[in-house]
Amino acid sequence: GEDVEQSLFLSVREGDSSVINCTYTDSSSTYLYWYKQEPGAGLQLLTYIFSNMDMKQDQRLTVLLNKKDKHLSLRIADTQTGDSAIYFCADYGDNQGGKLIFGQGTELSVKP
Amino acid sequence: DTEVTQTPKHLVMGMTNKKSLKCEQHMGHRAMYWYKQKAKKPPELMFVYSYEKLSINESVPSRFSPECPNSSLLNLHLHALQPEDSALYLCASSQPRFNTEAFFGQGTRLTVV
Repeated sequence: GEDVEQSLFLSVREGDSSVINCTYTDSSSTYLYWYKQEPGAGLQLLTYIFSNMDMKQDQRLTVLLNKKDKHLSLRIADTQTGDSAIYFCADYGDNQGGKLIFGQGTELSVKP
Repeated sequence: DTEVTQTPKHLVMGMTNKKSLKCEQHMGHRAMYWYKQKAKKPPELMFVYSYEKLSINESVPSRFSPECPNSSLLNLHLHALQPEDSALYLCASSQPRFNTEAFFGQGTRLTVV
């Protein structure tokens, strides 16, 4: 089956930029999503990118997509302690018949 | 309104109990999903309803029974659960085929005792 991989942990200082990386295997991917999950909460949709785009920017968030290498990244500028959470990359492809495939999640820790 | 509302937020049930989880959205989405999530793990898909019909069942045990009474509501009926079924149960909605935003609810934290 298709796979999505992320590194498990990232630690940054407050005010620095954070870059969370994700790789996927599905060549039919149409949409790729970033979700944020704070402890005890549900998943909050941060942003998504269509597969024919290279970049999407939304305030402090920048998503880069390298379709050739099947690599997706989420950059958070001026990271704050409130950004501490688990970030999930998710992939939807035409071959997946309605399934959203999640990565393992990257736990972002922001130190003051 | 981009909200998916789940009730209850917390549920403790015995292994012989019958309970139901509820999910509601008013975004006009015609696909709704149930996911199960263990702590610090990614959500695992359980069921997908598309246009109120069950389109995906990921080999979920029959003690979990989904129901989609209309395009805004999704239920998950629980019966004779096991302690290992304790988890966060998440509901999500989108247009069919996830071709735009896919929104999740805050989840129901289920504990089976």
